Amino acid sequence: KQEVTQIPAALSVPEGENLVLNCSFTDSAIYNLQWFRQDPGKGLTSLLLIQSSQREQTSGRLNASLDKSSGRSTLYIAASQPGDSATYLCAVEGSNYQLIWGAGTKLIIKP
Amino acid sequence: KAGVTQTPRYLIKTRGQQVTLSCSPISGHRSVSWYQQTPGQGLQFLFEYFSETQRNKGNFPGRFSGRQFSNSRSEMNVSTLELGDSALYLCASSLGTTTDTQYFGPGTRLTVL
Repeated sequence: KQEVTQIPAALSVPEGENLVLNCSFTDSAIYNLQWFRQDPGKGLTSLLLIQSSQREQTSGRLNASLDKSSGRSTLYIAASQPGDSATYLCAVEGSNYQLIWGAGTKLIIKP
Repeated sequence: KAGVTQTPRYLIKTRGQQVTLSCSPISGHRSVSWYQQTPGQGLQFLFEYFSETQRNKGNFPGRFSGRQFSNSRSEMNVSTLELGDSALYLCASSLGTTTDTQYFGPGTRLTVL
């Protein structure tokens, strides 16, 4: 049974810092891994999708890497801004089209 | 392009009642997935519909059901509501393959009293 873990559960950093969020999964047989952000009381916004054959994806200040063999993904946020404050969730998709979710990392960027 | 819409946004029901939630996907998307989000359990997959057929189902009791119409709009029904059904219910749409990004609606906040 696939399990997804995100560490840390919460993170508070000053504005301008670079930071890394971690996601680990127990079953390497995945089709893709996705990172989302969720703002309080709102739905989810897709940030990056990494297919199983890829090693990383980049979008603006965000870079996500995937190491299937070790069951790990990292989301790197460069030059953090207060607007980056949100909960970040990773999810893995297997052959059954189900997304299995981590519990999220609550990120606070202090001005 | 309009995003995923969900109605209603908020619902208050009492135990034993039933409820129907609606989701309209992005135009052209054939897959709709439903998720339950609670503080204790986080996000959990309910089911997915693709071209009017349930393609996948999570580990929820039979009180949770859904359907998809020919225009890809989807409904989710919960019968005999329990207090533990209080949650944010999210739907997501995609083109329907494993390489596609899922786009989420704002959710329906269900409170069961």
